[in-house]
Amino acid sequence: DGGITQSPKYLFRKEGQNVTLSCEQNLNHDAMYWYRQDPGQGLRLIYYSQIVNDFQKGDIAEGYSVSREKKESFPLTVTSAQKNPTAFYLCASSPRTVNNSPLHFGNGTRLTVT
Amino acid sequence: AQSVSQHNHHVILSEAASLELGCNYSYGGTVNLFWYVQYPGQHLQLLLKYFSGDPLVKGIKGFEAEFIKSKFSFNLRKPSVQWSDTAEYFCAELKVGYQKVTFGTGTKLQVIP
Repeated sequence: DGGITQSPKYLFRKEGQNVTLSCEQNLNHDAMYWYRQDPGQGLRLIYYSQIVNDFQKGDIAEGYSVSREKKESFPLTVTSAQKNPTAFYLCASSPRTVNNSPLHFGNGTRLTVT
Repeated sequence: AQSVSQHNHHVILSEAASLELGCNYSYGGTVNLFWYVQYPGQHLQLLLKYFSGDPLVKGIKGFEAEFIKSKFSFNLRKPSVQWSDTAEYFCAELKVGYQKVTFGTGTKLQVIP
């Protein structure tokens, strides 16, 4: 079955460490997205990528970095510069353009930084 | 300012009650609108979507939503809720021509048996 795989499901890190969240899709979708979900704030867009080797900042990109070296993969690095990294992170993908296409979501990674 | 507003943060209903969850967007141009649902412990799923045409769209599990352009609204409705509808519901907007999907803050629905 096609889908989006996020790993791991739970991740724990010490403050000051960078951490990378994995997102892989086998849907042959061109576009991929990273959101963070916090209680009472809905989903906020961190970064998105429309094609390989290209990505754009979303609404809350500070303290995060991404890469898009392969179509199937869009890893997110939470750096030590992110002031409040503990959150639930969701990866999504969609076909070549988002217009007229809904997002498909992974199951998420819950990151806890102490 | 939030471009997608969901006014109800937490709604509690008894089974068989009717449901209406509010969603307002602010973009004055052409939009695609979506409702997603997140059941406890599960990933986000698409309930329904509006792209163009008939402003009344029907989704899965008996849900529907009406796009009212003059009111910038896309409210979600269901005539009779079930306990299994307990979940968090998110409204989302895509400004056509742009690539970002913006979500509302979500509404938690609790259905009491």
